[in-house]
Amino acid sequence: EDQVTQSPEALRLQEGESSSLNCSYTVSGLRGLFWYRQDPGKGPEFLFTLYSAGEEKEKERLKATLTKKESFLHITAPKPEDSATYLCAVQASGSGNTPLVFGKGTRLSVIA
Amino acid sequence: DGGITQSPKYLFRKEGQNVTLSCEQNLNHDAMYWYRQDPGQGLRLIYYSQIVNDFQKGDIAEGYSVSREKKESFPLTVTSAQKNPTAFYLCASKGGGLADNNEQFFGPGTRLTVL
Repeated sequence: EDQVTQSPEALRLQEGESSSLNCSYTVSGLRGLFWYRQDPGKGPEFLFTLYSAGEEKEKERLKATLTKKESFLHITAPKPEDSATYLCAVQASGSGNTPLVFGKGTRLSVIA
Repeated sequence: DGGITQSPKYLFRKEGQNVTLSCEQNLNHDAMYWYRQDPGQGLRLIYYSQIVNDFQKGDIAEGYSVSREKKESFPLTVTSAQKNPTAFYLCASKGGGLADNNEQFFGPGTRLTVL
């Protein structure tokens, strides 16, 4: 069974204090790994898709990396507006429309 | 602007009533999905449709029904058989298999409360 585990469940950072969120996964052949940001009461916002081990993608203060067993979302010098829940999901090999399997998310709070 | 819309934003239901949540997309995506989100539980898949007039059950389909008569629309009905329907419902759509359009996008969500 495909599974995604995110850690920590919650993370509190001071503004400017860099850190990383972890997403460990088991999947029967990885088609893609996805990161989303979700603000309270809103739908998740797409951030990145990673397809193969060694791949990295960046967007502003965020950088996502991928290995064969896990992905990291690195947050460099975070600001209060980075506070949100970050969701990780995997898509198993199959058609391009195979449903994603989501982790429970990491709730990030950045304090000014 | 292309995107996914869900309505209503908030919905209140009395016990024993069926309610239908709307989801429309103008992204020309073939696949559409319904998820349920509860605090601390993450997103759980209810139903999905990979093409018009076809849909499959997800992990928690009991008490729900869907239809896919048009490519743009994928309504979800929460029936009286769903024992604990109070939750945040999210609709999503996804492009095809090519790497550059394999992203799944979400609507803004509908919060359903059973009174």
